[in-house]
Amino acid sequence: SYDLTQPPSVSVSPGQTATITCTGDKLGEKSASWYQQKPGQSPVLVIYQDYKRPSEIPERFSGSNSGNTATLTISGTQPMDEADYYCHAWDSSSLYIFGTGTKVNVL
Amino acid sequence: QVQLQESGPGLVKPSGTLTLRCAVSGGSISSSNWWTWVRQPPGKGLEWIGEIYDSGTTNYKPSLKSRVTMSVDKLKNQFSLKLKSVTAADTAVYYCARLFWSGQISWFDLWGQGALVTVSS
Repeated sequence: SYDLTQPPSVSVSPGQTATITCTGDKLGEKSASWYQQKPGQSPVLVIYQDYKRPSEIPERFSGSNSGNTATLTISGTQPMDEADYYCHAWDSSSLYIFGTGTKVNVL
Repeated sequence: QVQLQESGPGLVKPSGTLTLRCAVSGGSISSSNWWTWVRQPPGKGLEWIGEIYDSGTTNYKPSLKSRVTMSVDKLKNQFSLKLKSVTAADTAVYYCARLFWSGQISWFDLWGQGALVTVSS
């Protein structure tokens, strides 16, 4: 089976940059997407196709994907960005996989 | 604006069948999209369960395949999930979601609010 691994938590000060990684075998050869989930709410798509951003998502969210790692970057992190973040990719054997999830703490 | 809404019993007995429906409003279920179910056990991560196209074509997570059935009702503009032989491990919030998929590129661009299903006697 195909697995996507994320750090359990990332801490960042307001206004600073948060970097969340997602690691999987040859992930750079696949397409990654990212989801934000606040407590008690449904996930929200923030990045798709590695780096594209839905129109309603702030520009401070950006993504990249190369080698074995996809990265979600939040520039100028705001307290409202505190949430769980999940990466996702498609694999021919496992089909749709989500990462283990990362809790972003804005301290 | 397309919206998704899950509905179904919030409590299912062990060994019973979990049944959920997802109503699509503000748009047609026959819109060249895949429709999916994703679940999230309390305090845990997201798990994809399966997908269905408006033609009725389905794909399921291999480890759940023997217990899952998905169907689509075009007249009611909704799709459904049945999960049989449930155990406490199936307790989760179940989300329906719209999926874009094209040649290994995929993303879930629209989610329902989620339905908590507890498996307990």
